[in-house]
Amino acid sequence: DAKTTQPPSMDCAEGRAANLPCNHSTISGNEYVYWYRQIHSQGPQYIIHGLKNNETNEMASLIITEDRKSSTLILPHATLRDTAVYYCIVRVANGGSQGNLIFGKGTKLSVKP
Amino acid sequence: KAGVTQTPRYLIKTRGQQVTLSCSPISGHRSVSWYQQTPGQGLQFLFEYFSETQRNKGNFPGRFSGRQFSNSRSEMNVSTLELGDSALYLCASSWVAGGGYNEQFFGPGTRLTVL
Repeated sequence: DAKTTQPPSMDCAEGRAANLPCNHSTISGNEYVYWYRQIHSQGPQYIIHGLKNNETNEMASLIITEDRKSSTLILPHATLRDTAVYYCIVRVANGGSQGNLIFGKGTKLSVKP
Repeated sequence: KAGVTQTPRYLIKTRGQQVTLSCSPISGHRSVSWYQQTPGQGLQFLFEYFSETQRNKGNFPGRFSGRQFSNSRSEMNVSTLELGDSALYLCASSWVAGGGYNEQFFGPGTRLTVL
């Protein structure tokens, strides 16, 4: 079972920041938080991941609370192309096994003009 | 660099038949994972291959099998198809460097319909 809880859906106005929350209250010390998104009928796309520090890349920012029990993915200026299902995943980074991503239901983000 | 390719993109089969799906990873990637996506169960992990060896397996019946070739290309096979096997089958590749996490790159998927 997925170890994360996300709201089923969210709306965001185009050009505004989209803040997607994720709860992972049972996260272990060696587990990372990953975000993927899936645009309709396409394969999932990696966005970002982090352990405990905030992370930023060209796509998004990831804010992880100090107790690591929750996080927020931030899309700073959402566009219509960001409409997708966003998945928050918790997993151990080390161990050599790259597969076995456990996807939950995700959050369906709808960006509206 | 070319992305992950999957063939065929669409497939229609009837119950009881078998099917083989193919996945070509990104050049240099040695790990290939397969996932099944259905409206009811969402995205579920099937299995992972690395250097022609299955390293990890999800909770699926033995009708689902796979293999990986020396060039890292992978195939998955489903025998005795059931209506419930209708799904989008996704393949993902990653570059494994002795442990640690590398992002997985997903292909566009193969849409299988079982009639």
